[in-house]
Amino acid sequence: EAQVTQNPRYLITVTGKKLTVTCSQNMNHEYMSWYRQDPGLGLRQIYYSMNVEVTDKGDVPEGYKVSRKEKRNFPLILESPSPNQTSLYFCASSFDRRRQYFGPGTRLTVT
Amino acid sequence: GNSVTQMEGPVTLSEEAFLTINCTYTATGYPSLFWYVQYPGEGLQLLLKATKADDKGSNKGFEATYRKETTSFHLEKGSVQVSDSAVYFCALSASNTGNQFYFGTGTSLTVIP
Repeated sequence: EAQVTQNPRYLITVTGKKLTVTCSQNMNHEYMSWYRQDPGLGLRQIYYSMNVEVTDKGDVPEGYKVSRKEKRNFPLILESPSPNQTSLYFCASSFDRRRQYFGPGTRLTVT
Repeated sequence: GNSVTQMEGPVTLSEEAFLTINCTYTATGYPSLFWYVQYPGEGLQLLLKATKADDKGSNKGFEATYRKETTSFHLEKGSVQVSDSAVYFCALSASNTGNQFYFGTGTSLTVIP
């Protein structure tokens, strides 16, 4: 089954404790992206990647890092999480930029 | 810069009512336009898309026409069902910004029997 998976689905952590949210797709897509969803703000793009070892900042990259060492994986790293990074995070992948496939989401709470 | 503005919700309709959710955009060049739907507890799914002016995207009874002259991509459905209750996002992808996507804030739709 073609899908985008994210782990964990739910995470509660404390300020400053490094965390990684994994994202994996099995569709051989070159394009992958991370978004955060906040009430009243919709989805905002954090980072995206056109291919292995190619990443670019989206609209809200501050406080986040990504890496793309393999085509199928695109982890999101929060080196020192802060409460304003409490949000719902979505990973997405695409063959071209005309249709994205979204993962189920990761709800992160930073206290 | 590029942006998407969509009508604020929440929207509550009775079953079989007509639905319109307004979406307007700002973009340079020739963006592709999308409507995504998010059902409770799930990620977003592509509902329909249009890649050039005057294109009409359609799926599951929903339609939207790419209007360059009014920079709009309004979503319509003639007769909504309870199962259409979800959050709807308008989005664009503009060639002048590489491969960034821009989403609207989302419109929550509730359809009551």
